[in-house]
Amino acid sequence: NAGVMQNPRHLVRRRGQEARLRCSPMKGHSHVYWYRQLPEEGLKFMVYLQKENIIDESGMPKERFSAEFPKEGPSILRIQQVVRGDSAAYFCASSPSVGRTTYEQYFGPGTRLTVT
Amino acid sequence: KNQVEQSPQSLIILEGKNCTLQCNYTVSPFSNLRWYKQDTGRGPVSLTIMTFSENTKSNGRYTATLDADTKQSSLHITASQLSDSASYICVVSARSNYQLIWGAGTKLIIKP
Repeated sequence: NAGVMQNPRHLVRRRGQEARLRCSPMKGHSHVYWYRQLPEEGLKFMVYLQKENIIDESGMPKERFSAEFPKEGPSILRIQQVVRGDSAAYFCASSPSVGRTTYEQYFGPGTRLTVT
Repeated sequence: KNQVEQSPQSLIILEGKNCTLQCNYTVSPFSNLRWYKQDTGRGPVSLTIMTFSENTKSNGRYTATLDADTKQSSLHITASQLSDSASYICVVSARSNYQLIWGAGTKLIIKP
């Protein structure tokens, strides 16, 4: 059973370009979460999605950032017109149905975005 | 404001020694507390999850404690190994259940 997969692992973009980060959840998981981690800081929640639905995007910047989790295919975190401050590690996590009090989130290896 | 604070920020110990990492939180209403290990360049990996009613939980050489009254938790590592070098992150879940409040982590370095 493959774990959470993210690609690319490293992404370099010039200011103003678009960045597309992909996340394939664990098999059987229908819940996906995106986090951002700045150097020397903890992870910050960005968005929580289920298939075809955004459940909570309270941690996502209002502009330039968007996320989707289509019926088929990976979840995509899209950053338009990137700026230097977007440079960070972006982690995706997935979980099974949120039915238990202590569900587990399984994390991917992250995508390290560098904006030059 | 929901917050999780960890101490120390970093710690260096010799291989084979024990150590204890601390976590204080102000998250309310509390649901559960987790400890994650994050190796450099990797995603976090869960070590333990504890609910309100659990005082202690072990996972091999890792033992976590929780005092829900004082809102404190600790992670004790026994007989440290070089592979324990990593960041250890305390994460608290509010009762909404998916929102995780992350501490900044303690960076642990094990020296031979």
